Amino acid sequence: KQEVTQIPAALSVPEGENLVLNCSFTDSAIYNLQWFRQDPGKGLTSLLLIQSSQREQTSGRLNASLDKSSGRSTLYIAASQPGDSATYLCAVMVGGNQFYFGTGTSLTVIP
Amino acid sequence: NAGVTQTPKFRVLKTGQSMTLLCAQDMNHEYMYWYRQDPGMGLRLIHYSVGEGTTAKGEVPDGYNVSRLKKQNFLLGLESAAPSQTSVYFCASSFTSGGTEAFFGQGTRLTVV
Repeated sequence: KQEVTQIPAALSVPEGENLVLNCSFTDSAIYNLQWFRQDPGKGLTSLLLIQSSQREQTSGRLNASLDKSSGRSTLYIAASQPGDSATYLCAVMVGGNQFYFGTGTSLTVIP
Repeated sequence: NAGVTQTPKFRVLKTGQSMTLLCAQDMNHEYMYWYRQDPGMGLRLIHYSVGEGTTAKGEVPDGYNVSRLKKQNFLLGLESAAPSQTSVYFCASSFTSGGTEAFFGQGTRLTVV
């Protein structure tokens, strides 16, 4: 069974810092990997989708990388802002129809 | 531009009661999913559907049933609610499997007392 781990579980940084969130998975046979953002009491908002054949994706201040062979992905956030405070979840798609989620990294950006 | 809409947003049930959660999407997506989110355990797949009239079991299907009579709707039923089913339930949809982005609803917070 696929297991997804996110480290750290919580992170607190001052505004303006660049930061990296980590995601690791046990089975490299994935279709894609998706990073989500979840605000308290809200649903999940998709940030970036990386296909299994891709190495990275970028959107604005966000950059996600994927290394299938080592079972790792990173989400890089540049010049962090208080509005970036949220829980960040990574999920891997297996078998074409099931996401396996990590438990998330709770990010707090201090003004 | 509604996306994925879940109703209700909150519900309190007594043990043994039944209820149905409704998920509706307006993006003409083929695939729809029901997840539950519990503290420390992440999101886990309950059931999913790959098209109108189809359903399949996910990781934690026991105690739940689903139906997909219309392409845009995916219903999750609890026949006899138990306290262990207290959770936040999320519906999601995607155009196809694998290579496409999944879109999530805002969640339903269910408490079973």
